[in-house]
Amino acid sequence: DIQMTQSPSAMSASVGDRVTISCRADQDINSSLAWFQEKPGKVPKTLIYASSSLQSGVPSRFSGSGSGTEFTLTISSLQPEDFATYYCLQYKTYPFIFGGGTKVEVK
Amino acid sequence: EVQLVESGGGLVQPGGSLRLSCAASGFTFRDHYMDWVRQAPGKGLEWVARIRSKVYSYTTEYAASVQGRFTISRDDSKSSLYLQMNSLRTEDTAMYYCSAGVTGSILDYWGQGTLVTVSS
Repeated sequence: DIQMTQSPSAMSASVGDRVTISCRADQDINSSLAWFQEKPGKVPKTLIYASSSLQSGVPSRFSGSGSGTEFTLTISSLQPEDFATYYCLQYKTYPFIFGGGTKVEVK
Repeated sequence: EVQLVESGGGLVQPGGSLRLSCAASGFTFRDHYMDWVRQAPGKGLEWVARIRSKVYSYTTEYAASVQGRFTISRDDSKSSLYLQMNSLRTEDTAMYYCSAGVTGSILDYWGQGTLVTVSS
């Protein structure tokens, strides 16, 4: 199975900060990577697919980049509603594997 | 509007069985693959299984942790997805979500989830 390593596992940030979350695959997954946002009591939400494609309805402050084994989710200016846990997902090969998650907390 | 409504969760003893259902509406169910994803209490997301559409012969894929114990299936005439879970273990305790890939993205839409608790 492909292993996904997400970092950091948690971080503190303030409204307006630029936030960067990394995800590393232990094998080449081309651009078959997605990012999800999860809030307590809410259903996970797709933010980014195919490494850098913004899901419909997702604010443009979210962006994704990378290919091969190194990927990044960037929030250009953190908003109050962005405090949440973020997961990457590789869907190049089965089984699909999620990263361990990054919790973005209020500084 | 796409809607996915899971049901069938509950409390079951280790070694027992449970069948989850997911009723879909708002899109052409038969044309799309469907997935199950779970989340154990306080833990991260785990992809569980996928079933493709009839065009792809309803082929299936599973996570190693459930291979041989869980079976994903669908009934296109009822726009419904199922997950038959046998030989349940305490580590299968989780919220189970069904998800549809409708727009060409991945895991576009999610249901609200159904809670499965495996405990004696």
